[in-house]
Parts: sequence; C-alpha cells; structure tokens
Amino acid sequence: QLQLQESGPGLVKPSETLSLTCIVSAGSISSSRYYWGWIRQPPGKGLEWIGSIYYSGSTYYNPSLRSRVTISVDTSKNQFSLKLSSLTAADTAVYYCARSLAAAGGGGPLDDWGQGTLVTVSS
Amino acid sequence: EIVLTQSPGTLSLSPGERATLSCRASQSVNSNYVAWYQQKSGQAPRLLIYGASIRATGIPDRVSGSGSGTDFTLTISRLEPEDFAMYYCQQYGSSPPWTFGQGTKVEIK
Repeated sequence: QLQLQESGPGLVKPSETLSLTCIVSAGSISSSRYYWGWIRQPPGKGLEWIGSIYYSGSTYYNPSLRSRVTISVDTSKNQFSLKLSSLTAADTAVYYCARSLAAAGGGGPLDDWGQGTLVTVSS
Repeated sequence: EIVLTQSPGTLSLSPGERATLSCRASQSVNSNYVAWYQQKSGQAPRLLIYGASIRATGIPDRVSGSGSGTDFTLTISRLEPEDFAMYYCQQYGSSPPWTFGQGTKVEIK
C-alpha cells in the first residue's frame, strides 16, 4: 500500500518561503505511470491544485502560483518537494501531496494522498 | 481555465435515499477527464470516480459517475451512513490548471 507523508514547518512568517517534502514509501517515485503533485485547502474552503512533477523532472504549475512555486524531485530518496515563496496569510492552508495517474500535461486523477499538513502564515 | 460549478451546495437526504450531484464545466472537458472525490472532516480526499465513469479501486457499485462534454453527475444509489461527506469534482482534461469544483455537502436529513 503506497504511503505519502508530508513534512515541514507548521508556522511560517509572512514574506518567507515555505518548504515541504513528501516522502513516498511502498512504491517507486520513478514509475512512468504517475505524476506527483501538491494540492492545498484553506481552512473551511475547497481544493486548489498547486503543481505536479514527473520523475524525469518535468514540472507543471498552476499559472496563478507559477511565479512563486518550485517543485522538485529526488528519485534517490524517493521524495519530492514544494517551495512557495513570498508567503501571505492567504497561503494558510492544509497542504497535501498526492499521486496522480498520468493522463496528460501533468494532470490526472489523484489516487493516493498524504494525510496533509497545516501550514499557518503568521508573524 | 476551466471553471467547475457543483450543485447543489448542500444535499439533505436520509440513509437509503438516492443522491445525485452535478458538476458543470465552463467549457467542454477533453476526453471526459473528470474525477470525483469524497472528503470527510479532517481527512484527505479519496478518489471515487475517474474518466467520468470509472470506479476507483475498492469503490462500491452503488457509486457511479456519468456525463460528457460539460455536464457530469455523481450518483449514489442508496446512501449508507459513511456516505455523508463533502464531494468534489475535478477536471484534468486540458492544459493546466487542473481545477476543482467548490464542493457539495451531503448531510443527513
């Protein structure tokens, strides 16, 4: 059973950069069948796709966040990471990492999710 | 960007009843690449349906998806207690961003 686990700080100051890592276990991140993505959910609100990465390093970003987002992959450690810069209170959310079946252009149905980690942006 | 509009916002039903949830896209979704997720409070979403009508692994056959183009539907034929939750549709059929609907809450009447 594939497992994804997010790790990173729960509290970040405004204007700083958020760094989160997703460790993948019981499965290989190097599979050609999947993309690996980040999705966030502000408290009490809906889901927003942040971006995805393929094991080769190809990335796909939400245009609304593109200027602030970097997603990277480390196949040797079977993990991928998210960096989000210039944080504001609007970035406060639960951040999920997830696996998606590779459909097209970095997208696909998200068939396995991490438990999520709450990130609060506050001074 | 494709905008997904889900209706109704809240569905109040009793166990055993049929639930019909709608997801309408602002433009046609390529290849009917629409997925549905269930989310319970404090938990990550769970994939129910992808490709508009394909049940994900372990999803019971009382859950079904249908639709094409811009109109998609999730149907739960007989609600069980564990089905009362929030439901989201998602499209992944054209260029990014991959977008979600705002959700439909299925609550116990």
